[in-house]
Amino acid sequence: ETGVTQTPRHLVMGMTNKKSLKCEQHLGHNAMYWYKQSAKKPLELMFVYNFKEQTENNSVPSRFSPECPNSSHLFLHLHTLQPEDSALYLCASSQDLFRDSYEQYFGPGTRLTVT
Amino acid sequence: GQQLNQSPQSMFIQEGEDVSMNCTSSSIFNTWLWYKQDPGEGPVLLIALYKAGELTSNGRLTAQFGITRKDSFLNISASIPSDVGIYFCAGQLYSGYALNFGKGTSLLVTP
Repeated sequence: ETGVTQTPRHLVMGMTNKKSLKCEQHLGHNAMYWYKQSAKKPLELMFVYNFKEQTENNSVPSRFSPECPNSSHLFLHLHTLQPEDSALYLCASSQDLFRDSYEQYFGPGTRLTVT
Repeated sequence: GQQLNQSPQSMFIQEGEDVSMNCTSSSIFNTWLWYKQDPGEGPVLLIALYKAGELTSNGRLTAQFGITRKDSFLNISASIPSDVGIYFCAGQLYSGYALNFGKGTSLLVTP
């Protein structure tokens, strides 16, 4: 595998379900990001991790819970979501938060539908 | 984050035509970026600009960092069908700060 991979690619879940999104980067980077992409809206930054430490939580509701066990893996745990949480969730990585942090490599995303 | 206004929202052009799109902000940025997102994929960085007035090319793509540091432009020359996708601008104030994205310009190219 190369680059940034995300699984699953598609997920349909009910509002009472608990599920997790997984991201893995094979680039040797130390910063990882979760973004939400909704139609007709700019990409919204959700969480940032730098060397496994969370550095930013962009006022994200607690029904989204990130986890970064090491610099290569990032998870987004989901529970009791709302229909408006349906979106494409993108993971990205960069060298680290302060070196070339603009040069972010994105995964293909997980298309989430909440029913 | 800062609001970026990107225009046009969409473009429908014929193969071979040149394309121009732009991005404006109410605040300054020290780095301007242009990304492209193909259907079913994540955004890919096309061009990064670091200095006001800078003009940078990447193949048929040329981008400029506006002199006021509040805008940026992207031109695509002699478009081809594989240019289809959504083009996003993004600004970054300082390294370590979040990227602020525009809403994107959707480009369709007919053969």
